[in-house]
Amino acid sequence: QKEVEQNSGPLSVPEGAIASLNCTYSDRGSQSFFWYRQYSGKSPELIMFIYSNGDKEDGRFTAQLNKASQYVSLLIRDSQPSDSATYLCAVNERSNDYKLSFGAGTTVTVRA
Amino acid sequence: EADIYQTPRYLVIGTGKKITLECSQTMGHDKMYWYQQDPGMELHLIHYSYGVNSTEKGDLSSESTVSRIRTEHFPLTLESARPSHTSQYLCASSKGTGEQFFGPGTRLTVL
Repeated sequence: QKEVEQNSGPLSVPEGAIASLNCTYSDRGSQSFFWYRQYSGKSPELIMFIYSNGDKEDGRFTAQLNKASQYVSLLIRDSQPSDSATYLCAVNERSNDYKLSFGAGTTVTVRA
Repeated sequence: EADIYQTPRYLVIGTGKKITLECSQTMGHDKMYWYQQDPGMELHLIHYSYGVNSTEKGDLSSESTVSRIRTEHFPLTLESARPSHTSQYLCASSKGTGEQFFGPGTRLTVL
């Protein structure tokens, strides 16, 4: 079992809709959770991080964390064509706080 | 805004050449990382460092080596490049709270 799993996508949503991205992780001791956006041919860019159960909102992005279910999600509200990218979920390793395990990513396409 | 730099951005080189990929950051971060990523594929950690004179191998076996003589500088060296080394190499740095900031990457092609 991979440490971090994401829904494989690709995910296609119409402009203005909500894009919902899911991520599960296997290490119950993980404490820090990150979402990165990676445009094709570019490097990952940090967009959200969350440490506590519940929701965290930043502009059109909302991260949701449920440690009991080992589940973290990212919602993108009012999706724009510029949101078309691959979104990577990353989770810190319990044995080593400063190493991150990355998921394979979910590719989102926002249709104009 | 993350200030992390990688040079060169693109490199095409012949088999057997020695190459060094440069990575520098101006944020004073102790922790630095090298990842390898093929197009459309996952990130793989190949090396990391938690400070000067500290280097560790990552989860993906790599024939490259790294050094950390200065906090801001974390170069990666391939002694003898092969076509199998063709990939994108991403450098990242981190502050104490865990989030990593990535440089723009070096796209390496070995002929």
